[in-house]
Amino acid sequence: GENVEQHPSTLSVQEGDSAVIKCTYSDSASNYFPWYKQELGKRPQLIIDIRSNVGEKKDQRIAVTLNKTAKHFSLHITETQPEDSAVYFCAASTDTPKLTFGTGTRLQVTL
Amino acid sequence: DAGITQSPRHKVTETGTPVTLRCHQTENHRYMYWYRQDPGHGLRLIHYSYGVKDTDKGEVSDGYSVSRSKTEDFLLTLESATSSQTSVYFCAISVDRGNTEAFFGQGTRLTVV
Repeated sequence: GENVEQHPSTLSVQEGDSAVIKCTYSDSASNYFPWYKQELGKRPQLIIDIRSNVGEKKDQRIAVTLNKTAKHFSLHITETQPEDSAVYFCAASTDTPKLTFGTGTRLQVTL
Repeated sequence: DAGITQSPRHKVTETGTPVTLRCHQTENHRYMYWYRQDPGHGLRLIHYSYGVKDTDKGEVSDGYSVSRSKTEDFLLTLESATSSQTSVYFCAISVDRGNTEAFFGQGTRLTVV
């Protein structure tokens, strides 16, 4: 089955700096790559996703890039703010109902 | 937020007892999922459903069973709870298969003592 690895497990940045979280996947048939944000004590919520026919997608301060050849995708957050502090999960899926998540990255944005 | 409710929100139970967690949705989404969340493991799929009475196993299904008798309800049962099943359980729903957005419930914190 699919295996998704996520790095780093923790990331601390200063407010205003950029943050990058990287994920690799194993199943070349995967075609959907969402990113979820989970604030402390809350439910995971989708922040951005990308499909295999697109190399990059942006939404204000966040962007996701996908390299199908290398089987990795990344989340980029620019101009980080304290409210960006959370745990971020990448995930990968084929056309099946099974969504495989990475182990999460705890992002801390310090003032 | 999508209309998805989990109950109970917190539960403490003893080893060996059966436990049932409920997920209720008001969105009429076809797909429903149960995940468990543990430190260092992220979210792992236990079981999912693709319609009434249609269910299948995820990656960590041992010791769990599910049922879906109505579109809106998806039940997760721990047949005989063990300490290794202490976790936070999330229900999720989606319109289509895994390649569409999943909306999560608030989670259930289960402690097996």
